[in-house]
Amino acid sequence: EDKVVQSPLSLVVHEGDTVTLNCSYEVTNFRSLLWYKQEKKAPTFLFMLTSSGIEKKSGRLSSILDKKELFSILNITATQTGDSAVYLCAVVKNTGNQFYFGTGTSLTVIP
Amino acid sequence: GAVVSQHPSRVICKSGTSVKIECRSLDFQATTMFWYRQFPKQSLMLMATSNEGSKATYEQGVEKDKFLINHASLTLSTLTVTSAHPEDSSFYICSARRGAFQSSYNSPLHFGNGTRLTVT
Repeated sequence: EDKVVQSPLSLVVHEGDTVTLNCSYEVTNFRSLLWYKQEKKAPTFLFMLTSSGIEKKSGRLSSILDKKELFSILNITATQTGDSAVYLCAVVKNTGNQFYFGTGTSLTVIP
Repeated sequence: GAVVSQHPSRVICKSGTSVKIECRSLDFQATTMFWYRQFPKQSLMLMATSNEGSKATYEQGVEKDKFLINHASLTLSTLTVTSAHPEDSSFYICSARRGAFQSSYNSPLHFGNGTRLTVT
């Protein structure tokens, strides 16, 4: 059975802290892994990862994929209250084009 | 600006009635759209894949007769919750991917803003 698991489920940090969110997967025919940020409503796209070991970076956020160990991490440095959200990772398979989402990590950044 | 529009954003209905939710891609054609359901503090659960001009593909455990999906055009998919019950109350989100070909597989999804359904 295909599975996407994120950890931790929730996290509370203070502004300025650095956080690392984890996403592990067990899927057949893996194609790519994506990270989304969900605040009140619709998730917004952050990164798409297809190759191992290549870091994607956008401002204070960065992400990397390890296809051998089947996981990805999302790093956020110098966190701000605006980073408070649920972070979702999703895996896309080669067969079909559905996105399978992980359980999400709820991040709360305290001033 | 938004590239996927979902309507209505909120609906309250009585038990036993049906509710239709629309999902439109605004500036691109989407041969495939996805419908998700989200429970509080949980991730998005894929319900079904909506294919333009053909039957939707439902995930295991999702009742196709209860959640009717129609993808009549390249920019519109609808989800109808039939004979709604209080346990159907949830947040429903649609999404679409730009592009109509195999090469679009790696394109990120664009999400609608979701519909909060409350069945009383």
